[in-house]
Amino acid sequence: DVKVTQSSRYLVKRTGEKVFLECVQDMDHENMFWYRQDPGLGLRLIYFSYDVKMKEKGDIPEGYSVSREKKERFSLILESASTNQTSMYLCATGRTPGRAIFSLHFGNGTRLTVT
Amino acid sequence: EDQVTQSPEALRLQEGESSSLNCSYTVSGLRGLFWYRQDPGKGPEFLFTLYSAGEEKEKERLKATLTKKESFLHITAPKPEDSATYLCAVQGSGNTGKLIFGQGTTLQVKP
Repeated sequence: DVKVTQSSRYLVKRTGEKVFLECVQDMDHENMFWYRQDPGLGLRLIYFSYDVKMKEKGDIPEGYSVSREKKERFSLILESASTNQTSMYLCATGRTPGRAIFSLHFGNGTRLTVT
Repeated sequence: EDQVTQSPEALRLQEGESSSLNCSYTVSGLRGLFWYRQDPGKGPEFLFTLYSAGEEKEKERLKATLTKKESFLHITAPKPEDSATYLCAVQGSGNTGKLIFGQGTTLQVKP
């Protein structure tokens, strides 16, 4: 089975802090994604990556950046955390090269609270 | 713009009471429609992928169907352990592999 591990289940940070969310997968998937999930808004794509050192903006990239230095690891960075970034953050991975059809495998999420 | 709408937002059933969840979509060139199950405090778990109208897939008490405008997730004789949020997502030909998610239907099955 695919295992997608997010480094923290719960995180509390202060406004203005730099925050790192880490995601590691063990199945050699090319594609990795960061979503946030909010009540009433569903899952929204922040950033994704098709390969090492590659990144593409999703639908809501403002206030975030990402890093993918190794195939198995995809990091989400909040440069200066704000209260409107309080959310559940979900990492996902998917197999297939390029941009063909694939299903996503999700981690269990990091619930981030910014105070 | 690609869009996914799920209904109802919430559904309460008695154990054994069959029902259906709806996922309506608009997408330019459907490449795949996906159903996920999400338990509280966990990430979504993949259930099905449907690729073309008329296709059906089954898993235990769940059956997913697809038309050109919508998909249904039929739940036959549900059990309390089927209680979860069910998410629908689509991938279109123009969105470079991204999935567009609906807001989900939260199902509660009472014993």
